[in-house]
Amino acid sequence: GAVVSQHPSWVICKSGTSVKIECRSLDFQATTMFWYRQFPKQSLMLMATSNEGSKATYEQGVEKDKFLINHASLTLSTLTVTSAHPEDSSFYICSATQQGHYGYTFGSGTRLTVV
Amino acid sequence: AQSVSQHNHHVILSEAASLELGCNYSYGGTVNLFWYVQYPGQHLQLLLKYFSGDPLVKGIKGFEAEFIKSKFSFNLRKPSVQWSDTAEYFCAVNAKAAGNKLTFGGGTRVLVKP
Repeated sequence: GAVVSQHPSWVICKSGTSVKIECRSLDFQATTMFWYRQFPKQSLMLMATSNEGSKATYEQGVEKDKFLINHASLTLSTLTVTSAHPEDSSFYICSATQQGHYGYTFGSGTRLTVV
Repeated sequence: AQSVSQHNHHVILSEAASLELGCNYSYGGTVNLFWYVQYPGQHLQLLLKYFSGDPLVKGIKGFEAEFIKSKFSFNLRKPSVQWSDTAEYFCAVNAKAAGNKLTFGGGTRVLVKP
């Protein structure tokens, strides 16, 4: 079945630094990838949608200059949290879909802690 | 905009009890519906999905869900739960007019007592 690999699984960084999270589709071409954020004991909130080769579409309230999304190939999307602050600490999850197919494949998530 | 409501935030029940989790959505057009489960410390897993056809959908681990279009609902059921069903359950909706964006409900945390 379709597999999405997300890396790293967890990361601790200092306040003010940037962190990059990768999301790879291993056995299919992901025409669209989604990035979600999940706070403890809360649901997944969609941050942005990215289509291969084009700019990401951000949800209302999500700072696009802070959460940089790149989807340069059909198998890789990256989320970079720039100038991270403690309030950015959260669980970030990516998801991917394949054109012509219904269904979403989720990565295993990245727990970001900013100290 | 599409929105998804899960009425129960927390459910506690004993093993062998029946489980039903409510899910309602707010979009009136064609929708694809999903239920996901997130076990403690693990990533989301798809339990079942509805795209079209028989409104009663059977998924993995003995779960099923019924799509009732007139009620904008997609409730999840399991006749007899096990301790291993302790997890958080998320309903999600994709409204076709919204492209392929998936919107999640707030989740229901289920605790099954042994």
